[in-house]
Amino acid sequence: TQLLEQSPQFLSIQEGENLTVYCNSSSVFSSLQWYRQEPGEGPVLLVTVVTGGEVKKLKRLTFQFGDARKDSSLHITAAQPGDTGLYLCAGAQSTGSNYKLTFGKGTLLTVNP
Amino acid sequence: DARVTQTPRDKVTEMGQEVTMRCQPILGHNTVFWYRQTMMQGLELLAYFRNRAPLDDSGMPKDRFSAEMPDATLATLKIQPSEPRDSAVYFCASGLRGQGGTGELFFGEGSRLTVL
Repeated sequence: TQLLEQSPQFLSIQEGENLTVYCNSSSVFSSLQWYRQEPGEGPVLLVTVVTGGEVKKLKRLTFQFGDARKDSSLHITAAQPGDTGLYLCAGAQSTGSNYKLTFGKGTLLTVNP
Repeated sequence: DARVTQTPRDKVTEMGQEVTMRCQPILGHNTVFWYRQTMMQGLELLAYFRNRAPLDDSGMPKDRFSAEMPDATLATLKIQPSEPRDSAVYFCASGLRGQGGTGELFFGEGSRLTVL
């Protein structure tokens, strides 16, 4: 069973459309991070959300952390071909000095010109 | 421009051979993670070090995998003997916990392993 479920798994849209991808879990996280990964490269951090209900905006990207800190969403407005990539959410859990960052399988987004 | 460096970028080997992947974390970072990425499983955590001490390697098959940090500038992941099911992209990531760190992970470009 995957700790973090991301949906949809694949998404192909036209330039200019809006989209939302989801990251859901039954576990509570101390924080949640969103990464974007391009082919042949490692994931790169987009944002970290920490507080339940928190909303962060990064240009055309809006990130929301659920009130119970179990889920998150990423909304992209007016998608552009440069937004194409694998979007990964990662939940952080800390127990003493142990810190675990668990990733979902990702949403592969293709924005067609 | 600080970045995590991984070698080799690509490795093709035969079943049964030993494979060693190396990682140079970003100077000053105190945490190092090893992840394995496949289409089926996504990014799986293999091992986690803090201040060079292994804190969590529960995701790693113990019989054939081993991870070490001989010093602060080098982390290694070794597979012996390798099997075709080990074929994947292996990522090293480093970060700063405490000391004002945000918990963000900085990933290397990965080592693509193919075991024939």
